[in-house]
Amino acid sequence: AQSVTQLDSQVPVFEEAPVELRCNYSSSVSVYLFWYVQYPNQGLQLLLKYLSGSTLVKGINGFEAEFNKSQTSFHLRKPSVHISDTAEYFCAVSEQKGYQKVTFGIGTKLQVIP
Amino acid sequence: KAGVTQTPRYLIKTRGQQVTLSCSPISGHRSVSWYQQTPGQGLQFLFEYFSETQRNKGNFPGRFSGRQFSNSRSEMNVSTLELGDSALYLCASSHDSMNTEAFFGQGTRLTVV
Repeated sequence: AQSVTQLDSQVPVFEEAPVELRCNYSSSVSVYLFWYVQYPNQGLQLLLKYLSGSTLVKGINGFEAEFNKSQTSFHLRKPSVHISDTAEYFCAVSEQKGYQKVTFGIGTKLQVIP
Repeated sequence: KAGVTQTPRYLIKTRGQQVTLSCSPISGHRSVSWYQQTPGQGLQFLFEYFSETQRNKGNFPGRFSGRQFSNSRSEMNVSTLELGDSALYLCASSHDSMNTEAFFGQGTRLTVV
């Protein structure tokens, strides 16, 4: 069974500063990895995903993430955040074989301070 | 292209009652997954339906059930509601499988009093 650990429940950061949201996963097989964002009173929206290939994945809104198999990590980064990035971010993992369920982390609340 | 539609958006029920939530996936999507979201537990997987068959199931009691119709619309039912069932219930639709890409609805906020 797979699991996801998001190491920070809340991350405050000043506007225009860089940010990194940390995610570690555990699985005995090859995985797909995802980052989703949830704005208040909304569902989740896919930011980016790693299925295969290049370990550096670029997503929407200027976010990127790097898959590190040896450290079982998939940290999310943005070089300069905006107020509009204030939201909750979820890391998720799924086994590659077949049609597996997706397991989510508990979420990290990003608060951008003006 | 219309997104995932969940109805109702808000619901208040009394302990012991039952409730049915509805999810209409994106046209052409055959997979529908349900998640329960609470502040302390995050998103917990309930079940997934594909072509009217339950394909995956999470670790929830039998009070939680679901089904999918031939047009891919899905319903989930919770019987004998408990206070702890208060949560945001999210539905996600995918073309074939959620582990490639999924689209979420806005959720149904259930409050049990």
